[in-house]
Amino acid sequence: DQQVKQNSPSLSVQEGRISILNCDYTNSMFDYFLWYKKYPAEGPTFLISISSIKDKNEDGRFTVFLNKSAKHLSLHIVPSQPGDSAVYFCAAALHSGSARQLTFGSGTQLTVLP
Amino acid sequence: DSGVTQTPKHLITATGQRVTLRCSPRSGDLSVYWYQQSLDQGLQFLIQYYNGEERAKGNILERFSAQQFPDLHSELNLSSLELGDSALYFCASSAGVEQYFGPGTRLTVT
Repeated sequence: DQQVKQNSPSLSVQEGRISILNCDYTNSMFDYFLWYKKYPAEGPTFLISISSIKDKNEDGRFTVFLNKSAKHLSLHIVPSQPGDSAVYFCAAALHSGSARQLTFGSGTQLTVLP
Repeated sequence: DSGVTQTPKHLITATGQRVTLRCSPRSGDLSVYWYQQSLDQGLQFLIQYYNGEERAKGNILERFSAQQFPDLHSELNLSSLELGDSALYFCASSAGVEQYFGPGTRLTVT
């Protein structure tokens, strides 16, 4: 049972335009959400996060939106740059004492075309 | 550079063998996590240690074990290796919710 789903395995966007990556989750107990970027042959890199008590968090070109009622979050990248081409993973955290296990989606390959 | 280091970068071994993967967390981070990424799959959580103690277990096989030492580095031991164990193994560390990943160890079982 996939608790965190990224239904689009790939997305292509023109340079300068907006990239929107989507993520759905099923467990209403998740209280923190994160986005990671991964280049080939490298480990995932933390991008941006959002607590379940907020609906938006912005950091430079990256904005994450959370819709708790729909159990949906999205990552907006504006403007998109060729260097943004990578696999993007969303992850959700379940608070359980000192164990903050992350559940990851399967990833979306973003390609930004010059 | 996340500050998390993993060795070795690549490992090629035969079925039935045992290997040890090593991880050094970011300075000051007490939590260490291990993940497996198989071909075309997402990151699967294996196990978490916090300050030397096991705190959470995911889909970790009985053939796999881990430990965290007093200096906070961690080792993942994989034994009786099978072809299906070929994967990228990532270590991550954290002080809070955000986890910071190492570059990974690519294990190939032949």
